[in-house]
Amino acid sequence: QKEVEQNSGPLSVPEGAIASLNCTYSDRGSQSFFWYRQYSGKSPELIMSIYSNGDKEDGRFTAQLNKASQYVSLLIRDSQPSDSATYLCAVNPPLSGYSTLTFGKGTMLLVSP
Amino acid sequence: NAGVMQNPRHLVRRRGQEARLRCSPMKGHSHVYWYRQLPEEGLKFMVYLQKENIIDESGMPKERFSAEFPKEGPSILRIQQVVRGDSAAYFCASSPPEYNEQFFGPGTRLTVL
Repeated sequence: QKEVEQNSGPLSVPEGAIASLNCTYSDRGSQSFFWYRQYSGKSPELIMSIYSNGDKEDGRFTAQLNKASQYVSLLIRDSQPSDSATYLCAVNPPLSGYSTLTFGKGTMLLVSP
Repeated sequence: NAGVMQNPRHLVRRRGQEARLRCSPMKGHSHVYWYRQLPEEGLKFMVYLQKENIIDESGMPKERFSAEFPKEGPSILRIQQVVRGDSAAYFCASSPPEYNEQFFGPGTRLTVL
């Protein structure tokens, strides 16, 4: 059973702080990892993708991947109230000729002014 | 460049009726994915299609559900004889052929009375 696990939260941080969101996955052969942001009542929005071990930075967002530990995280620096949303971790199973994503249930982030 | 388009945005059906959900992928994207999101649950993969081909339908219920992506026109997710348990948000995503970052449409909220 391929699984992606996330703490459901809510994770509460004050404005300006660093928010750290974590995700573990069970399929060791997974190759591609994604973070989506979903506001209530809206569709998921892709914010980060990462494919190799290490860090990937994009503006205030940093994705971190550790394949040995089967762990991927998202750091949000200088958190803003507008970052309050549910963050979904998604994992692409091992290469098998097609591309489906398995999603975690998401972590709700609340950034207080 | 228009994003993924879905219609209708909201659909109300009575039990036993048929629901047809449409999805037009982003320009240049030939891969379409359908997901279902139930209240308080994560996104669940249903089906992956390319033009005129179903690549993976492992997440789609065997009965009452079908999907197609014809050579011309949008992808269609069809639910026959709807039941109350089909009430959910149905999201379509698309990706280009050369990489697997998926971009989501606004979704169709199906309510079965």
